[in-house]
Amino acid sequence: AQKVTQAQTEISVVEKEDVTLDCVYETRDTTYYLFWYKQPPSGELVFLIRRNSFDEQNEISGRYSWNFQKSTSSFNFTITASQVVDSAVYFCALRKFYGQNFVFGPGTRLSVLP
Amino acid sequence: EPEVTQTPSHQVTQMGQEVILRCVPISNHLYFYWYRQILGQKVEFLVSFYNNEISEKSEIFDDQFSVERPDGSNFTLKIRSTKLEDSAMYFCASSDSRGGSEKLFFGSGTQLSVL
Repeated sequence: AQKVTQAQTEISVVEKEDVTLDCVYETRDTTYYLFWYKQPPSGELVFLIRRNSFDEQNEISGRYSWNFQKSTSSFNFTITASQVVDSAVYFCALRKFYGQNFVFGPGTRLSVLP
Repeated sequence: EPEVTQTPSHQVTQMGQEVILRCVPISNHLYFYWYRQILGQKVEFLVSFYNNEISEKSEIFDDQFSVERPDGSNFTLKIRSTKLEDSAMYFCASSDSRGGSEKLFFGSGTQLSVL
């Protein structure tokens, strides 16, 4: 069975602080994909990143960075110098290599205060 | 950027009534999905659809649910006899190919409230 855990239900930071959102997953598959999606107050789910299980290289995109550690089954997301516009619910998700269905974590609500 | 469109944004219905949630996927996409999110909870997979048939469905997607692509652009989710616990945000999504690497493009959702 596949499962995604996001232990942090809610996080509040002050603007310009760095923040890391944790994601731990469980799967018996050796190959799979991991995703992060953002859900701003407007409600839509916005794709942020995809990572396959055989590529453990960390990725940086502007203020966003992702740390994939297969040994600990974690795929953490860091926002550097957070901004108020980063306030949203962030979902980590897991998908089988040939699968169609995403298994989402429960989400972490990030509030960035001015 | 092309987007998935869902209508209505909010639907209120009485328990036992039928509802149809509508979605217009991105035009060149071939794979379509419905997910739902009960308030404050995680996003859950309902069903995937390709080539005019269901390719995968979850336990949630029971006989009360059905999906259809009635024409070349719309993709609908029908709930035959709504229950209170069907109240949720329903997301439509599409992708241009299948397989685990493909990201899904999600719509803004339809908030269904069953009274």
